[in-house]
Amino acid sequence: AQSVTQLDSQVPVFEEAPVELRCNYSSSVSVYLFWYVQYPNQGLQLLLKYLSGSTLVKGINGFEAEFNKSQTSFHLRKPSVHISDTAEYFCAVVGTGFQKLVFGTGTRLLVSP
Amino acid sequence: DGGITQSPKYLFRKEGQNVTLSCEQNLNHDAMYWYRQDPGQGLRLIYYSQIVNDFQKGDIAEGYSVSREKKESFPLTVTSAQKNPTAFYLCASSYLSPGQDEAFFGQGTRLTVV
Repeated sequence: AQSVTQLDSQVPVFEEAPVELRCNYSSSVSVYLFWYVQYPNQGLQLLLKYLSGSTLVKGINGFEAEFNKSQTSFHLRKPSVHISDTAEYFCAVVGTGFQKLVFGTGTRLLVSP
Repeated sequence: DGGITQSPKYLFRKEGQNVTLSCEQNLNHDAMYWYRQDPGQGLRLIYYSQIVNDFQKGDIAEGYSVSREKKESFPLTVTSAQKNPTAFYLCASSYLSPGQDEAFFGQGTRLTVV
């Protein structure tokens, strides 16, 4: 079985500052990793995914994430945030071969002017 | 446009009533899922289905039931046995092919018990 830990429930940051949202996972098999964003009262939208190959993955809205197998991490980064990035961000993992998609508890990013 | 449609967006239920949440997808996805979202708890899997006429319990299936009579549809019934049904419910679907199995989500249904 897989599990995901998002250590930060909330991350406040000023506009144009860099941000990193942390995600660690555990799994006994190879995994695919995802970051989703959720705006208030809406569904989740895929930001980026890691399947294989390059460990640095670029996604939409200027976000990127780096897969680190030795540290079992998949941290999300953005070099300069905007007010519009205020949302909840979920890290998710699925084991290769059909298995359930498992989500972390989410990190609320609060961007202030 | 392809996508997942959940209805209604808001739903109010009286104590002791069963209610059914609709989820339809036209993405030709094999798998469909129902998640419950509560503040601070992330998304918890209720039921999922990989194929028509088959489904499996997730982590919090008690008090819920589903059916998968058509590939496109995966309705969720919240029964009176669910003691705390007030939550935001999300439906998702995905392919089963490795590397293509990211989930696509609907806009959610907010259920409130009155």
